[in-house]
Amino acid sequence: NAGVMQNPRHLVRRRGQEARLRCSPMKGHSHVYWYRQLPEEGLKFMVYLQKENIIDESGMPKERFSAEFPKEGPSILRIQQVVRGDSAAYFCASSPQYNEQFFGPGTRLTVL
Amino acid sequence: GQQVMQIPQYQHVQEGEDFTTYCNSSTTLSNIQWYKQRPGGHPVFLIQLVKSGEVKKQKRLTFQFGEAKKNSSLHITATQTTDVGTYFCAGLEYGNKLVFGAGTILRVKS
Repeated sequence: NAGVMQNPRHLVRRRGQEARLRCSPMKGHSHVYWYRQLPEEGLKFMVYLQKENIIDESGMPKERFSAEFPKEGPSILRIQQVVRGDSAAYFCASSPQYNEQFFGPGTRLTVL
Repeated sequence: GQQVMQIPQYQHVQEGEDFTTYCNSSTTLSNIQWYKQRPGGHPVFLIQLVKSGEVKKQKRLTFQFGEAKKNSSLHITATQTTDVGTYFCAGLEYGNKLVFGAGTILRVKS
């Protein structure tokens, strides 16, 4: 059973471009979570999704950020018109229900 | 909203010394989870505590959940260099959102 997959592992974007981060949860997991982590800081919850539904997006910035978890395919975290302050590690986690979360390796986003 | 405070922020210990990190929630928790993140890595689940006053051990690691289910601690006995990393607690309210503490960065000097 493969773990949580995230791609790309590293992403470099110039200011104003779009960033698309993908997450494939573990097989059988219907809950997906996205977190952002700045260097030497904690994990900041962004959004919680189940298939085709956003359950909690209280941690998402109101503008430029969106997330989806379609019926088929990976979950996508999309950042439009990136700014330098968006540079961070973005982790996806999945769980079968409301218990332990399994984290992917993360996507390190650098905005030039 | 729920807040989870974790202290200390950093801890440098000599190899062989003990280490403890503490976690406090502003609200009563359904359960509390602990994760470890190695430098450059991703968080890895360590354990989940559910019952009031629960104590669990994993080799040199001891996890406690407070009687009021609002605080928790992780204690490492006789630290080793392999213990280096950031330890996060994460509290689950009676809902479905896990709120992470800021983490404690542990450095071990050999």
